[in-house]
Amino acid sequence: DGGITQSPKYLFRKEGQNVTLSCEQNLNHDAMYWYRQDPGQGLRLIYYSQIVNDFQKGDIAEGYSVSREKKESFPLTVTSAQKNPTAFYLCASGTGFAMNTEAFFGQGTRLTVV
Amino acid sequence: GQQVMQIPQYQHVQEGEDFTTYCNSSTTLSNIQWYKQRPGGHPVFLIQLVKSGEVKKQKRLTFQFGEAKKNSSLHITATQTTDVGTYFCAGDAGNNRKLIWGLGTSLAVNP
Repeated sequence: DGGITQSPKYLFRKEGQNVTLSCEQNLNHDAMYWYRQDPGQGLRLIYYSQIVNDFQKGDIAEGYSVSREKKESFPLTVTSAQKNPTAFYLCASGTGFAMNTEAFFGQGTRLTVV
Repeated sequence: GQQVMQIPQYQHVQEGEDFTTYCNSSTTLSNIQWYKQRPGGHPVFLIQLVKSGEVKKQKRLTFQFGEAKKNSSLHITATQTTDVGTYFCAGDAGNNRKLIWGLGTSLAVNP
C-alpha cells in the first residue's frame, strides 16, 4: 500500500535528551514537511524539503533539525534546545515542487517529554 | 504577517442540523485547501479550490471560494455523527509558496 508512515506513534523522553522521529513515504513525492500541532493552535510548519539534499526552515524551526538524504525519508530530530517539545508531530508529503498541492499526512507521533 | 482566520472555533449541533465554517484571509489567496481531522487522527485532504467564486460539492459537503479569493466556507447539510472532527482550511498566498493554516473548527454532533 502506498502511503506515509511515521514511527513511533507514542514517544516518551526525558528532558534534555535529543529524539528523532521517523517519516517514510512510498508515494514518490518530492516535497515533504514536518508540522507541529498543539491544542488550539492548528498546524505550524517546522521544516520542509522540496528535493533531496535540500530543506528549508519553516515558521518554528528553532530547536529542531532535519535531513533529506533519500527521497523517501525525512527524519526530524527534536533537540534539547527546543523549549517545549511535548506536542503532536505530523509529517506530510506532496506532489510536485510547489507546496500548494494536496498534502498527505502520516498518522503522527505524540511526543511527551518528562 | 499573513493570517487565515477560521470561525467558529467550536460548533455543537444536533444530528440532522446544518453546519458551516468560515475562513478569512488577510491577503488574496491563489488557492485554498480544506482538511478534516478526526479526534486522535491526522488531517485528511478534502478539496482544493482555485478559481474565484468556485463552488464544489462532495455529497453533503459544499465548498465555496469567494469572489475576491480572500474567504472560503465549508457547509455540511444534515450533519451525521461521522462528520465529527476538526475542519481546517489552508491557504496559499503564492509569494512564498507555503500553506497558511487556519486554527480549525471543531464539530461535535449529538445523536
